[in-house]
Amino acid sequence: TQLLEQSPQFLSIQEGENLTVYCNSSSVFSSLQWYRQEPGEGPVLLVTVVTGGEVKKLKRLTFQFGDARKDSSLHITAAQTGDTGLYLCAGISGNTPLVFGKGTRLSVIA
Amino acid sequence: NAGVTQTPKFQVLKTGQSMTLQCAQDMNHEYMSWYRQDPGMGLRLIHYSVGAGITDQGEVPNGYNVSRSTTEDFPLRLLSAAPSQTSVYFCASLPGGPGYNSPLHFGNGTRLTVT
Repeated sequence: TQLLEQSPQFLSIQEGENLTVYCNSSSVFSSLQWYRQEPGEGPVLLVTVVTGGEVKKLKRLTFQFGDARKDSSLHITAAQTGDTGLYLCAGISGNTPLVFGKGTRLSVIA
Repeated sequence: NAGVTQTPKFQVLKTGQSMTLQCAQDMNHEYMSWYRQDPGMGLRLIHYSVGAGITDQGEVPNGYNVSRSTTEDFPLRLLSAAPSQTSVYFCASLPGGPGYNSPLHFGNGTRLTVT
C-alpha cells in the first residue's frame, strides 16, 4: 500500500507569515496533486505536478515536486485569512486510484 | 452544469438500519468513487467504478455496497449501519481513468451519524 505522510498535521500562524507544508512517501508517483478543502465542502484541486523537480506557482502558493518524485512541498508566502483550510496531497501511480495524505489543517489568524 | 451532486446532506441512522447515499454527476465522467473522511484519517477510498457495470473495492469496503448501472449515478448502500460508519462521505468523479492527471471533482459531502 502506498502511503503519503503530510506534515505538520496542524498549523496556526499570523496573517503575513510564510509557511511550508510537506508531503512525503517512500513510493514513487507519476504525478502528485494538491487539494484545498473548506468547511462543509469537498476538496478542490489547486495544482498537479508531473515532472521530478518541477516548481509551479499559483499566486502566493509555490508547489514543488521532488527530483525522485517521492515528495512534494507547498509554500505559502504572506499568508492571508482566506488561505485557511485543509490542504491535501494525493499521489497518482499507474491506473490505481489516487492515494491521499491525511492533510494539513491551516489556520491563518488576522 | 451542476457537477457532482450528493444527497442527502445530513442523515441520522439507528444501528442496524440501511440506507442509500446518492451521487450523480452531469459531466459524463467515466470514473466515479466514494470516500469517507474521518478526523485525523484523511480521505479513505471505499469503492470506485471505471465505467457503467464495473465496480471495485477500495481501502475500506466492508459494510458498503455499490452498483453502477448508468454513467451518471453511483449510489453507496449501507447494509446494516454501525456507529463506526459515522463519517462524512464524499463522492468524486473524473474523466478517463484514475491514472490521468485530471482533477477529481468532489461533491459537497453527506454527513452521516449512526447512533
